Amino acid sequence: AQKITQTQPGMFVQEKEAVTLDCTYDTSDQSYGLFWYKQPSSGEMIFLIYQGSYDEQNATEGRYSLNFQKARKSANLVISASQLGDSAMYFCAMRYLQGAQKLVFGQGTRLTINP
Amino acid sequence: SAVISQKPSRDICQRGTSLTIQCQVDSQVTMMFWYRQQPGQSLTLIATANQGSEATYESGFVIDKFPISRPNLTFSTLTVSNMSPEDSSIYLCSAAPAGQAQYFGPGTRLTVL
Repeated sequence: AQKITQTQPGMFVQEKEAVTLDCTYDTSDQSYGLFWYKQPSSGEMIFLIYQGSYDEQNATEGRYSLNFQKARKSANLVISASQLGDSAMYFCAMRYLQGAQKLVFGQGTRLTINP
Repeated sequence: SAVISQKPSRDICQRGTSLTIQCQVDSQVTMMFWYRQQPGQSLTLIATANQGSEATYESGFVIDKFPISRPNLTFSTLTVSNMSPEDSSIYLCSAAPAGQAQYFGPGTRLTVL
């Protein structure tokens, strides 16, 4: 079964600094995808970035990059030049690419950006 | 990307009543997913809805409590039946149109008194 672990319940970062949010996963499958979502206080889930297990390059989307280390089973999110609007909950999730393609989520990290 | 809409966005209901949440996707998708997020918690999958077949429920969720309809490839409904205060949560629908990304609707914030 899939399991996602986010070990940082909360993080506090100064504006304009880079921040790394940790995510490790556990699976015996070889074909899977890893996702990061942002959830502001409004409750919506905003898709940020995706990494496939067979992708050789780390995914990047603007200020977001995913530090994918397959052997370590980690998929950390890096946010460069943090902004006040980055304050939110961040969830790591995993999905198998075959069969029941459901997302399994970690417990989340609450990120607070200080001015 | 995909645009997913949900309604209602929020509701306050009395215990013992039922609420039906609607989810509309702007493109055809094979699978739609319904998640629950209890206060201060992460998201938990309730069920997967395929068009033309019965929904597949996760452990701990049953059809009598959370009946789901999937009449076509762009629309689904989730009903929360015989509600109790423990059902107070955010309910989110999700879909993965062609490609790897999976998107969510804006959620329905339910409070049961």
